[in-house]
Amino acid sequence: GPKVLQIPSHQIIDMGQMVTLNCDPVSNHLYFYWYKQILGQQMEFLVNFYNGKVMEKSKLFKDQFSVERPDGSYFTLKIQPTALEDSAVYFCASSAGTGGSAETLYFGSGTRLTVL
Amino acid sequence: AQKVTQTQTSISVMEKTTVTMDCVYETQDSSYFLFWYKQTASGEIVFLIRQDSYKKENATVGHYSLNFQKPKSSIGLIITATQIEDSAVYFCAMREDSNTNKVVFGTGTRLQVLP
Repeated sequence: GPKVLQIPSHQIIDMGQMVTLNCDPVSNHLYFYWYKQILGQQMEFLVNFYNGKVMEKSKLFKDQFSVERPDGSYFTLKIQPTALEDSAVYFCASSAGTGGSAETLYFGSGTRLTVL
Repeated sequence: AQKVTQTQTSISVMEKTTVTMDCVYETQDSSYFLFWYKQTASGEIVFLIRQDSYKKENATVGHYSLNFQKPKSSIGLIITATQIEDSAVYFCAMREDSNTNKVVFGTGTRLQVLP
C-alpha cells in the first residue's frame, strides 16, 4: 500500500537545541498531519497542513513548533528550542483529499524524539 | 468540539472468538467520518475500516465490521474469528465534515488474543 516515510527513526538531542523531523508523504496526497504519542498512549493531534498552509493546530502545537513543505519536498516539523516534555514519538500522516477513501490517513513509522 | 472516547483500556480474548471494542464520540456536526486504526507492536499504524455518518449500513471489511449506532453516537469495532496477529492497540478516530480536516483519536484499546 501507499507509504509515508519518516526520517530519522530516532533522534536524541539536548534540551534547547533545534530539531527537524522529516516526512515524505504519499505521492499526490494533499493533506498532511503531525501527531504526538507518548509511551504508546493516545495519538494527540498537533497540526494539519494543506496547500502550503496550516489548517488547524492544537494547544500542543506550541510557539516553538513550526511546519512547512517547501516546493513539494519533505513535510517538516521543526521544534526550536526543544524542551524535555517534547520527548515522544511523532507520527506523520497524509491523505489524498476529502470524501470516501480519500479520507484515509496513511501513517509513517514514527520518529522517536528523546530530549535530554 | 469533537471528542472520541474509548473506555476499554485492555481486552483479552481467546483465539478464534469474536471481540467488540467500544467507541463513543461527540460532535456538533450532522456529517462526519469515523475510522478505526490498528497500531501493532512495532508501532506501525494501519487503517482498518471507515463509516460515513450518512450511511445507514454498517461497514464491513474482511473480518472487521462496525456497529454504528448513530442515536447513541457509538461506533463499535467487531472482529470475528480473531487471530494471534490481531493483538494490537486499536484506535477509534473521527473527522467532522465542516472542520479543517482535523482527525482526532481516542485513547486506544489494547487487544490481546490468546492461543
